[in-house]
Amino acid sequence: EVQLVESGGGLVQPGGSLRLSCAASGFTFNTYWVHWVRQLPGQGLVWVSGLSSDGSTTEYADSVKGRFTISRDNAKDTLDLQMNSLRAEDTAVYYCVRSMITFGGLGVPLDYWGQGILVTVSS
Amino acid sequence: EILMTQSPVTLSVSPGERATLSCRASQSLGSNLAWYQQKPGQAPRLLIYAASTRATGIPARFSGRGSGTEFTLTISSLQSEDFAVYYCQQYYNWPPYTFGQGTKLEIK
Repeated sequence: EVQLVESGGGLVQPGGSLRLSCAASGFTFNTYWVHWVRQLPGQGLVWVSGLSSDGSTTEYADSVKGRFTISRDNAKDTLDLQMNSLRAEDTAVYYCVRSMITFGGLGVPLDYWGQGILVTVSS
Repeated sequence: EILMTQSPVTLSVSPGERATLSCRASQSLGSNLAWYQQKPGQAPRLLIYAASTRATGIPARFSGRGSGTEFTLTISSLQSEDFAVYYCQQYYNWPPYTFGQGTKLEIK
């Protein structure tokens, strides 16, 4: 069974930092792109960042570029998101998400989602 | 960035009836469109991909149609567990992946 379990969320002040982690199991982690998608309170879904299976290619939404860093450890089957210079508008539930197998980085559906972790940016 | 627009925002339907949700893209996607279901307090779940292919374990009452810029999700006979928010998402041109704003399917 595919499982993605997020951790590391919580309350942080504006300008602060937080590191989210995602533990993956039930599949061969090093063969899939993985992503972070967030959902602002009571709102829709927004893709944040993605990372290739081997960790060599990163992608970011413009809203987080330069502030967030995505990384993975294929030996430990974990995905991280380092979030710096946090703003109130980063307050959201963050989901760790797997996308279907892809070749050459072509877009594919997001087939498994973690339960999400809440990040609150407030003074 | 491809803009995805869903309609209606809220749809009220009685159990046992058919529900049809729409999604429009700002440019052609081919068939590179997915639908997700999200229940309160839960993560989204993949329902449909490639516009019309049901994901693993999804009941046959869920069907998707369309290509290019116009897509629909139909639930043929609504069950109580189907009342949720539904999102469409394009994966034709990324980054970024983009989602519609969602359609809330509620009990009439």
